[in-house]
Amino acid sequence: GESVGLHLPTLSVQEGDNSIINCAYSNSASDYFIWYKQESGKGPQFIIDIRSNMDKRQGQRVTVLLNKTVKHLSLQIAATQPGDSAVYFCAETTPGTASKLTFGTGTRLQVTL
Amino acid sequence: GAVVSQHPSWVICKSGTSVKIECRSLDFQATTMFWYRQFPKQSLMLMATSNEGSKATYEQGVEKDKFLINHASLTLSTLTVTSAHPEDSSFYICSARGAGKAYEQYFGPGTRLTVT
Repeated sequence: GESVGLHLPTLSVQEGDNSIINCAYSNSASDYFIWYKQESGKGPQFIIDIRSNMDKRQGQRVTVLLNKTVKHLSLQIAATQPGDSAVYFCAETTPGTASKLTFGTGTRLQVTL
Repeated sequence: GAVVSQHPSWVICKSGTSVKIECRSLDFQATTMFWYRQFPKQSLMLMATSNEGSKATYEQGVEKDKFLINHASLTLSTLTVTSAHPEDSSFYICSARGAGKAYEQYFGPGTRLTVT
């Protein structure tokens, strides 16, 4: 079946540097994408979302880029901090599925001092 | 706003017993709630979708008779794992969506179930 996947399972970044977490999706009909942060033993925390009619959206220290041509989604975190250490998931939803979310496999971000 | 709670946060039960997990939307009415299961170092897998006042819709491969879901009110959904076995040990997470909110889901903190 179709799935949302990630290229890198673990990303190690030095504090203060920028982080880029990537996600490849295969369902071209997906129209809404979300990035979640999950700390150990906790539920997912919403970071930022983007609709398919956009290619970029910015939040506080985070930017999501959507490239529909190659079905690629990325999360950029500026000036990465130790508190950013967590597992990051992309998720997609497709019209006609009652807005069910399909989660990617996740990337662990490790911030080193 | 948009807070979702789960109870208990962790539970240990013996094989063969049943355990109930509650999911509550604290400050909004949740017309739809979702239940996910997450095994260690894996992603969230949707188990079922429940709409207030109607039967839950289960994902393929999820046993509806084993994972009983009740969504009797706009602020409460429960997941009961019946005749639990060690392989049911997992992190169970619920999310809730309010009326008129097509995409926004708010996640609970999760419940760690360990079956011995």
